Amino acid sequence: ETGVTQSPTHLIKTRGQQVTLRCSSQSGHNTVSWYQQALGQGPQFIFQYYREEENGRGNFPPRFSGLQFPNYSSELNVNALELDDSALYLCASSTIISSYNEQFFGPGTRLTVL
Amino acid sequence: SQQGEEDPQALSIQEGENATMNCSYKTSINNLQWYRQNSGRGLVHLILIRSNEREKHSGRLRVTLDTSKKSSSLLITASRAADTASYFCATDLLMDNAGNMLTFGGGTRLMVKP
Repeated sequence: ETGVTQSPTHLIKTRGQQVTLRCSSQSGHNTVSWYQQALGQGPQFIFQYYREEENGRGNFPPRFSGLQFPNYSSELNVNALELDDSALYLCASSTIISSYNEQFFGPGTRLTVL
Repeated sequence: SQQGEEDPQALSIQEGENATMNCSYKTSINNLQWYRQNSGRGLVHLILIRSNEREKHSGRLRVTLDTSKKSSSLLITASRAADTASYFCATDLLMDNAGNMLTFGGGTRLMVKP
């Protein structure tokens, strides 16, 4: 196991609601990335947080937002949930060093939007 | 959109046989990584190959990289039933602010029959 934890493991919401997912990074890591993985597809990069600021963003609308805390843990918030937001949400922690930043993934949160 | 495409999408082999999965990508990369995912769970990092490397080994795994063809392959030798999983390649792109973004392909679903 990587030492990256996510909560909750499963979540069911209805369309229009808001959701918060949490991630605790591996000890010593200062960077957290979030990915969305729809069923049967590869993960897609949502955004990355470094030193409590957004450090890059993929092709996701503003209703996907995040936070990183001083202890490097992170939250992913999704507002106005849509059916297509149903997916496995993965966070990954890493340390930005040089050109090699191995990312360690947590077990994911399975979100179902009804 | 996904940077890489794995081929084949699904592969079924007998225990003891070798499994080869291919990955193609579109843009220049910093490095390429292979991950494994058991059904609906988190990603496990298998191996990273840098853009200036051509081949890398780790146990029963062998990865090759051809930057001129923008392709990589993962070979699992002497497969075991426990190797049954989805395998993803991911290209590692550095962002302007030194963070990195992983871009995944759609994955190869490997089934190893006992």
